[in-house]
Amino acid sequence: DTGVSQDPRHKITKRGQNVTFRCDPISEHNRLYWYRQTLGQGPEFLTYFQNEAQLEKSRLLSDRFSAERPKGSFSTLEIQRTEQGDSAMYLCASSLGGGATDTQYFGPGTRLTVL
Amino acid sequence: QQPVQSPQAVILREGEDAVINCSSSKALYSVHWYRQKHGEAPVFLMILLKGGEQKGHDKISASFNEKKQQSSLYLTASQLSYSGTYFCGTPTGNQFYFGTGTSLTVIP
Repeated sequence: DTGVSQDPRHKITKRGQNVTFRCDPISEHNRLYWYRQTLGQGPEFLTYFQNEAQLEKSRLLSDRFSAERPKGSFSTLEIQRTEQGDSAMYLCASSLGGGATDTQYFGPGTRLTVL
Repeated sequence: QQPVQSPQAVILREGEDAVINCSSSKALYSVHWYRQKHGEAPVFLMILLKGGEQKGHDKISASFNEKKQQSSLYLTASQLSYSGTYFCGTPTGNQFYFGTGTSLTVIP
């Protein structure tokens, strides 16, 4: 078990470009979460997958953001037409599930800088 | 829906104790506590599931008062390694809300 991994760890892009991030969860975990975190703030929920199904999407997530989890394994988060306000740390977490006992394990994050 | 934590920041000397509070305006069914060191991902500390439940992890423990919709994290005899930002969090439906965070700095 190698933990949750994310790639890339850092991404610098110009405004208007598209970016895609990848998350590989812990292998037996069926739940996967994406969060965004800006400096000095707590992680902000973006979206959630149970296996390959995207069950929840934050209303704060604009239509420029899309996430997929094909075959219930790794997940990708794409941001189209990036804006400077998208600069943040994007965190992925996975869990086994189990309602209130659901413990999330976080990856190291992808830091996005939009110039 | 984001839980509010207090204090926002605290500085301690090694060996001192601290309490971090987490309050929600909505009903809490469970409270999760995480610690995040600078530049790193949040790390799970503990979950509290029942009202009044108190859990311990080394010298870190927590309580949960369902009626008051509050949880508190207790750090006893703080160590340098306790430094970081502490977040409470709670699930609501399929979403998860982290609290506003408390920055804890332990100095020698």
